[in-house]
Formats: sequence, C-alpha cells, structure tokens
Amino acid sequence: GENVEQHPSTLSVQEGDSAVIKCTYSDSASNYFPWYKQELGKRPQLIIDIRSNVGEKKDQRIAVTLNKTAKHFSLHITETQPEDSAVYFCALSVRDSNYQLIWGAGTKLIIKP
Amino acid sequence: DGGITQSPKYLFRKEGQNVTLSCEQNLNHDAMYWYRQDPGQGLRLIYYSQIVNDFQKGDIAEGYSVSREKKESFPLTVTSAQKNPTAFYLCASSIHRGNQPQHFGDGTRLSIL
Repeated sequence: GENVEQHPSTLSVQEGDSAVIKCTYSDSASNYFPWYKQELGKRPQLIIDIRSNVGEKKDQRIAVTLNKTAKHFSLHITETQPEDSAVYFCALSVRDSNYQLIWGAGTKLIIKP
Repeated sequence: DGGITQSPKYLFRKEGQNVTLSCEQNLNHDAMYWYRQDPGQGLRLIYYSQIVNDFQKGDIAEGYSVSREKKESFPLTVTSAQKNPTAFYLCASSIHRGNQPQHFGDGTRLSIL
C-alpha cells in the first residue's frame, strides 16, 4: 500500500530562522495533503492543507508546497517562534485506501532560543 | 476540538478485562475514526466508520472492536485479546469519508494495572 516518508525525524532551528519538513509519496492518485501539529500530550491539530489542483498555499508564517510530478510536499515555517516547538505530521489521502489518510511518522521541531 | 469529546481522559485496565473508550461528536460529521499512538510514534488507524451501522478495519484492528449505532457516537472497546494496550487513543471525525480534514478529540491514555 501507499507509504509516506517524512524527513527529517528531528529538526532543530534557531528562533527566527525557517524550518522545512518534507514528505514523499508514491501514489499519483493522492489528491489531499494536510499537515498537523501535535504538542506534547495533546491532540493533533490541522495547521494547513493543500489539494492537488494547487502548487502552494500560505497562511501567515506557514506555507505548504506540492510537487505532484516529483511526488513530494513540504511544510515551510518562517520566523520560527518558541511556540512552534511540537511534532508535525504530514498525511495524504489515497484512493486505493478508500480515501483514508495515510500518515507520516512525524518530525519533532525544536526551536532554540 | 470542542465538538469531539473523548472520555475518560485516563483509563486503567486489569489483565483479562475489556474496557470501552467513549467518543462523541456534535459536528454532524458522517465519518469517524480511532487511532492509536505509542510514545514518540505516529498515528495508526484502528477502525473507521463512514456512516451509521457501518465500519471497517484499519491497519491494527486485532484486539479491538467498535460500534456505530448513532451518528454522534463511535465507542472503542479494547478487549483482553489486545495484549499490549498501553497507548494514547485518539478519536477523530470528518464531514464525510476521505479527502477532508479530520478533527481530533483530546484523547484517552490507557495503561495496564
């Protein structure tokens, strides 16, 4: 079945710098790509999502880019702040899995003061 | 999300005992999901339901059972057949199946006594 590879597993950046997390996939029929943020002990929360008919979407300091040809999508966080520290999960919706979400393994983002 | 309520927040299971985790939503969503999350790991799908009186197994359904008698409710039973039940259990819902954002409850942390 479909698999989503998420990299890196841990990312440490200086406060104010940018962070980029990348996910790659293999099923060209995937057409929905959400990103979730999970703080320690809390529930995952949707922070941004993108559909296959667009290549980029922005929401203030957060952006997602999608390259359907290369089959990867990335989360970009600019001007990082301490409250950005969390685990970030990518996911995608796959037709062959009845459109259920397939999840990446997560990236622990650490913002250094 | 305020629209998805999971209870209890913490639960302890004795050996040989079945326990039931509650999940209620008032978002009028058709689809509901149960995930298991082990420490430092991603989300693994246990069961999902796209409509009342219908549900399907996810990737790790063995040792678990569900019911969907009402649109608002999707309880998960962890049976004695699940030999390693200690984990964080997350319930989610979406407007309808696939390709839609999933909204999560605050989770239930299950431990073995």
